[in-house]
Amino acid sequence: EPEVTQTPSHQVTQMGQEVILRCVPISNHLYFYWYRQILGQKVEFLVSFYNNEISEKSEIFDDQFSVERPDGSNFTLKIRSTKLEDSAMYFCASTVGNSGNTIYFGEGSWLTVV
Amino acid sequence: KQEVTQIPAALSVPEGENLVLNCSFTDSAIYNLQWFRQDPGKGLTSLLLIQSSQREQTSGRLNASLDKSSGRSTLYIAASQPGDSATYLCAVVATSGTYKYIFGTGTRLKVLA
Repeated sequence: EPEVTQTPSHQVTQMGQEVILRCVPISNHLYFYWYRQILGQKVEFLVSFYNNEISEKSEIFDDQFSVERPDGSNFTLKIRSTKLEDSAMYFCASTVGNSGNTIYFGEGSWLTVV
Repeated sequence: KQEVTQIPAALSVPEGENLVLNCSFTDSAIYNLQWFRQDPGKGLTSLLLIQSSQREQTSGRLNASLDKSSGRSTLYIAASQPGDSATYLCAVVATSGTYKYIFGTGTRLKVLA
């Protein structure tokens, strides 16, 4: 079964460093997402992306965050200058359409900012 | 704005019990609802997906029901086992706004051997 893949599975970074989290969505999917889950808290929506542009972003997704689909297969989340509070699990997700279609999630990338 | 709540927040039961986890959502206009399982420090495992036109879905010992008009879903786990210990999340996609999942707060389940 096709799946969403994310790399790295775990990254430790120094505060203030830039981090790029990578995702390969399912190949025929058109809608892409990033979610975040701080340890012990709920899964929160960050951003959705369609047709090479952001469809919606949450209030969490400030100027420190950016997303990009640099080629036909990858979807990346960049955090420009990491803060301690950015430590979380980041999930990528994708779906083929927006009318009742299942959204598939990757295994997540654990980001620890020290 | 869609909000999703799950009750109880935590549950501890002896092995073999049948149990019900609850999920409620404030906006009944949804495309679908999905139940996930999450083990500590791990990703999201999809359990059951219910489309808005469906009333329930079953997979093995799991049964999920949906009552869209009252904004509720339940996940029924039959004959619980220690391996069922995990956090269970429900998430809905509203028909208004951007197509995305909104997650509930989760129920942390512990099944005692």
